[in-house]
Amino acid sequence: QVQLQESGPGLVKPSETLSLTCTVSGGSIRSDANDWTWFRQPAGKGLEWIGRISATGSTNYNPSLKSRVTISVDTPKNQFSLRLTSVTAADTAVYYCARGTDYVSGVFDYWGQGTQVTVSS
Amino acid sequence: DIQMTQSPSSLSASVGDRVTITCRASQGISTFLNWYQQKPGKAPKLLIHSASSLQTGVPSRFSGSGSGTDFTLTISILQSEDCGTYYCQASLSVPFTFGPGTKVHIK
Repeated sequence: QVQLQESGPGLVKPSETLSLTCTVSGGSIRSDANDWTWFRQPAGKGLEWIGRISATGSTNYNPSLKSRVTISVDTPKNQFSLRLTSVTAADTAVYYCARGTDYVSGVFDYWGQGTQVTVSS
Repeated sequence: DIQMTQSPSSLSASVGDRVTITCRASQGISTFLNWYQQKPGKAPKLLIHSASSLQTGVPSRFSGSGSGTDFTLTISILQSEDCGTYYCQASLSVPFTFGPGTKVHIK
């Protein structure tokens, strides 16, 4: 059974960089069939796709965040990571990592439990 | 970006009722449409992909239909555990986008 687990600071100061890691277990992040994705959800609001990375390191980002986002993969550790620079209060949200399925692009079958990140001084 | 809308924004129904949620895309997306269920404090759960394909392990009372711009999610016989928020998601192209959600309450 594939499992994903987000980790990282729950509190980030304005203008600083948010860094989160997603650890994958029960499956290999090296799989060419899957890609690895970050989402976020502000309290009481809907879901926003942040971006994705393939096992080969190819990335796509949401244009609304593109200038501030970097997603990277660490295959030996079976992890992928999110960096979001110059954060503001608008970046406060629950952040989820997820796996893109191996049968249809843009469909997400396994999700982490989510981690709350608050931007505040 | 493809904009997604959903209706209703919320509904209240009784156990055993048939429930239908609609989703509309701002442009044609063929059948690149997925449905998720989210319960409070939990991650979304994939129910339906490709407009009408039931995800493995999801009860058969859930079904999806539609193509182009108009889609529906149907719960044929509502169960108490079906309360939560339902989101449609377009997967034709990046950035992948979600509808605003439909909250389902059990009377």
